[in-house]
Amino acid sequence: DGGITQSPKYLFRKEGQNVTLSCEQNLNHDAMYWYRQDPGQGLRLIYYSQIVNDFQKGDIAEGYSVSREKKESFPLTVTSAQKNPTAFYLCASSITYGGSSYEQYFGPGTRLTVT
Amino acid sequence: DQQVKQNSPSLSVQEGRISILNCDYTNSMFDYFLWYKKYPAEGPTFLISISSIKDKNEDGRFTVFLNKSAKHLSLHIVPSQPGDSAVYFCAASAMEGSQGNLIFGKGTKLSVKP
Repeated sequence: DGGITQSPKYLFRKEGQNVTLSCEQNLNHDAMYWYRQDPGQGLRLIYYSQIVNDFQKGDIAEGYSVSREKKESFPLTVTSAQKNPTAFYLCASSITYGGSSYEQYFGPGTRLTVT
Repeated sequence: DQQVKQNSPSLSVQEGRISILNCDYTNSMFDYFLWYKKYPAEGPTFLISISSIKDKNEDGRFTVFLNKSAKHLSLHIVPSQPGDSAVYFCAASAMEGSQGNLIFGKGTKLSVKP
């Protein structure tokens, strides 16, 4: 069964701690993305990766870091530098043709709460 | 500045009637548009897309219309069903040079009443 998995579904952390959110896909997609959703807001792009060992900052990358060591995996670390880390985090992936990406498919999301 | 705008935060429709969700964009470079449906605490699900070379795309009960001159697109759901109740996001991208990055609107919450 192909898809994108994110774990855990809910995550709680104390302020000042780094936390890593997992994202795995078995769709053989080249591109992967991390978004953040806040209440009443659309999805805002944190980081994206078009290919293994390469990634670019999105619109709100400050306080976050990523790695793309494997095609299937794109973990996101929320560092203590992120001022408002409590949010719903969504991972997505897409195929690419000729450098262009198409529909993005999303994982179920991780709700991170930092207190 | 929002490049993709969904000006109606919510919409309520009777079951069996048509739901029309609207989306406006400002960037004339956008050439690919998508609609996603999202339930609470879940990831968005891709619904339907349209390329700028078309003005209409249909998939079952869902039809997307694109008016490039007005920089406006709409999603029509006919007939609406209670299971359609969700938040709908409009998204746009400029396929050339953007690496497929999507710009999302803030969403419209659709409630379909039995």
